[in-house]
Amino acid sequence: GAGVSQTPSNKVTEKGKYVELRCDPISGHTALYWYRQSLGQGPEFLIYFQGTGAADDSGLPNDRFFAVRPEGSVSTLKIQRTERGDSAVYLCASSQTSGGDTQYFGPGTRLTVL
Amino acid sequence: KQEVTQIPAALSVPEGENLVLNCSFTDSAIYNLQWFRQDPGKGLTSLLLIQSSQREQTSGRLNASLDKSSGRSTLYIAASQPGDSATYLCAVLKGGGADGLTFGKGTHLIIQP
Repeated sequence: GAGVSQTPSNKVTEKGKYVELRCDPISGHTALYWYRQSLGQGPEFLIYFQGTGAADDSGLPNDRFFAVRPEGSVSTLKIQRTERGDSAVYLCASSQTSGGDTQYFGPGTRLTVL
Repeated sequence: KQEVTQIPAALSVPEGENLVLNCSFTDSAIYNLQWFRQDPGKGLTSLLLIQSSQREQTSGRLNASLDKSSGRSTLYIAASQPGDSATYLCAVLKGGGADGLTFGKGTHLIIQP
């Protein structure tokens, strides 16, 4: 079956602009996660959804970052007033439930802020 | 705060050798531990998941062990092949299970043909 998909695969923007990154999880997966990976580092947790609600957003670095999952499927990560330090690969993952099931990752969106 | 460390950061071995990748974590109150593989420019592929109550998991040429009390896990790769070249990431899920993973920085593995 189809895996986790993310669009766009690459996004180049200018400092101060607004961006949206999209994640389509595996069909039927109730849990969805966003991570950010900088060069040479492991992924860092940003936010986790169970259904439509954000169960844990403790990893969001500041209030410029926001994510939604209005219908419990597709999720959008929104970044306002982008900064050069936001440049990274943003990874999305989904799992069947929230009970520690295997997380399946998408290919990521590479964000470059000029 | 949970911290995950992976040693070595990089490893290069000839094809056919058996090898061990190490992972340690500071807080033993984990729900499970996962090993992932990441190829350049790609997302992560789950290799093995070990529940906190388990000691090891095997899949083909891969074997992962977990010693929760000492905060350690190892990934054993038997009869390495050039196709095994990738970055291997270890990640832990904290107790309770409903949360994001905490990752190490990974071990960059090169298998020389």
